[in-house]
Amino acid sequence: QVQLQESGPGLVKPSQTLSLTCTVSGGSISSGNYYWIWIRQPAGKGLEWIGHIYTSGSTNYNPSLKSRVTISADTSKNQFSLRLSSVTAADTGAYFCARGVIVPGVRVRYYYYHYMDVWGKGTTVTVS
Amino acid sequence: DIVMTQSPLSLPVTPGEPATISCRSSQSLLQSKGYNFLDWYLQKPGQSPQLLIYLGSNRASGVPDRFSGSGSGTDFTLKISRVEAEDVGVYYCMQSLQIPLTFGGGTKVEIK
Repeated sequence: QVQLQESGPGLVKPSQTLSLTCTVSGGSISSGNYYWIWIRQPAGKGLEWIGHIYTSGSTNYNPSLKSRVTISADTSKNQFSLRLSSVTAADTGAYFCARGVIVPGVRVRYYYYHYMDVWGKGTTVTVS
Repeated sequence: DIVMTQSPLSLPVTPGEPATISCRSSQSLLQSKGYNFLDWYLQKPGQSPQLLIYLGSNRASGVPDRFSGSGSGTDFTLKISRVEAEDVGVYYCMQSLQIPLTFGGGTKVEIK
């Protein structure tokens, strides 16, 4: 059974870079047709999609964050990571990693349709 | 960006009674092959979200059959045929037709 676990600093200073890692257990991030996804949630608010990385290594990002965000994967450690630069208080909140399962044969314009079936418990980041 | 609008914001329900949540998108989520790129997630208190419905009407593995999704184009509905106490939480619809993937603001379901 695949499990995801976020880790990283809970406190980041303004203007610095937020770095989080998602460790995947029970399955390999380099096998199968999956996306590996980051989503965040400001305290008491809704969900915001940050971006994803495909098994092949290709990425897509939320345009509102694109200039500041990088998602990468380390297959040797079975982890994928999020880096968000130049953070402000608006970046405070819970950060979730998730696995996206591709539905065979269902393609959207620039990527494969996928649903998020496994989520990490989330980690809270405060920018202050 | 595609804007997702959910209603109501809050939904008090009586156990055993049905519940309905609506989700509207700012543009059609129907693709030419007949797929609606609309998913439903439930975030129970203190937990991460969990998948309920994908591609508009497909129940995810392990999801009780009291949950059903319907709709097409821009208007979608999540129905709970008989609400149970464990169904409380915030329900989100999400579109995956276009990047960025976007969520509705959420509907909080609570027991009366």
